Amino acid sequence: ETGVTQTPRHLVMGMTNKKSLKCEQHLGHNAMYWYKQSAKKPLELMFVYSLEERVENNSVPSRFSPECPNSSHLFLHLHTLQPEDSALYLCASSHATGGHEQYFGPGTRLTVT
Amino acid sequence: DQQVKQNSPSLSVQEGRISILNCDYTNSMFDYFLWYKKYPAEGPTFLISISSIKDKNEDGRFTVFLNKSAKHLSLHIVPSQPGDSAVYFCAASAENTDKLIFGTGTRLQVFP
Repeated sequence: ETGVTQTPRHLVMGMTNKKSLKCEQHLGHNAMYWYKQSAKKPLELMFVYSLEERVENNSVPSRFSPECPNSSHLFLHLHTLQPEDSALYLCASSHATGGHEQYFGPGTRLTVT
Repeated sequence: DQQVKQNSPSLSVQEGRISILNCDYTNSMFDYFLWYKKYPAEGPTFLISISSIKDKNEDGRFTVFLNKSAKHLSLHIVPSQPGDSAVYFCAASAENTDKLIFGTGTRLQVFP
């Protein structure tokens, strides 16, 4: 596979569930990102990892927990989410941080019931 | 407060004509600007970018113009094609930051 892949593409979970979103990039990039896109809102940056270290956390609630085991993989662990967390979650990667072109995955459409 | 604004939620253009998508920003520290295109059920795809040291960048049918004094940039697509129908996002970043700040997007529809 090439580019940035995300699984699952769709996820429905209850507020008491625990689930994880997975992102994998095959571009040899050093930086990876999680974004949230809610209806009629701009993409919101959630987390930034550079060389597997978290460099930015945009005041995201602790019910979202990222993990970056290596430069090719990024996870977003979810637990006790709220219905307002329903959104499209996008992963992206870039050669380096600092505003360089970011390449996005197709996203995971999350619905919290 | 939104730092990057796309005030037109939608735009409809006839095939072969020029499409002009606009974007305004408020942060004078932004020095790099990008346009992304997004089709349904896909992630945004990088289209074209411009650094603040330039006022124009061209790539085939796509040209981005930057007016720093007005804090305004625009994307011109000419000639427009039906395959250009998508949502277009403007994004900006400041030097030495990890953030891309996105606008809310403009939905472009190119009709035959």
